[in-house]
Amino acid sequence: EVQLVESGGGLVQPGRSLRLSCAASGFTFDDYAMHWVRQAPGKGLEWVSGISWNSGSIGYADSVKGRFTISRDNARNSLYLQINSVRAEDTALYYCAKDYYSSSSATFFDYWGQGTLVTVSS
Amino acid sequence: QSVLTQPPSVSGAPGQRVTISCTGSSSHIGADFDVHWYQQLPGTAPKLLIYRNSNRPSGVPDRFSGSKSGTSASLAITGLQAEDEADYYCQSFDSSLSGFVFGTGTKVTVL
Repeated sequence: EVQLVESGGGLVQPGRSLRLSCAASGFTFDDYAMHWVRQAPGKGLEWVSGISWNSGSIGYADSVKGRFTISRDNARNSLYLQINSVRAEDTALYYCAKDYYSSSSATFFDYWGQGTLVTVSS
Repeated sequence: QSVLTQPPSVSGAPGQRVTISCTGSSSHIGADFDVHWYQQLPGTAPKLLIYRNSNRPSGVPDRFSGSKSGTSASLAITGLQAEDEADYYCQSFDSSLSGFVFGTGTKVTVL
C-alpha cells in the first residue's frame, strides 16, 4: 500500500525558514517523480514544485521560485521542501503527491499524503 | 493563480446527472495536454478520479466519466449519490508556465 507521510509544518514567523519532509513507502520511490501541492485555508489546490526520479528535472510555480527548494533522497525514500523567507501567503496545507511517471509533463498525481499545515504569523 | 476555470458550484438531486466544466486555453488543454480530475471529500486529501481525460483508476465507480474537446474538458457524474458531495478539481500542464495547473474547483452538493 502506497503511503506518503508529511511532517515539518507548524507556526513560523514571517521571514523565517522551515523544511518539510515526506516519507514514502509501499512503492519503488526512485522510479517516480514527486511533487508538492498546497492548499490555503478554504481555497483551491496550487502546484508548488516537482522533481523527477533522479533530481535531473525540477520545476517551481512562479509564486515560490527563488524561495522554495525541492529535493529528494532516494536512499531514504524521502522528499523535501525547503521554504525560505516565508510570507503570510505561504500559509497552507502542504501535500506530498506521487507522480504517475518518472518524469513527464503529461503527468498526474496518483497518490497523496494527508498534508502538513504551515501557518505563517508573527 | 488558476488558469483553468470551473463553475464554483453545481447541485443535483440523488440519481440525477451533473456535469462540471473545466475551461482552459491554447497553452494547456488546447495544446493537447491531458486533463485529470480529483475528488476532495470534506477534510481529506484529494484523490485521483479521472486520468488522461477519460480513464478511471481501479476502484472509481463508472458513474464518473470524463471528456475533453478543444480547450475544455468536463466531468460527469451520473446517478448522483450523497457520498459524491465533495470538491472537484481539474488539472493539466501549462506550457507557457512550464508547470502544472489546477482548476478553480467546483463544490458538488446533493440536494
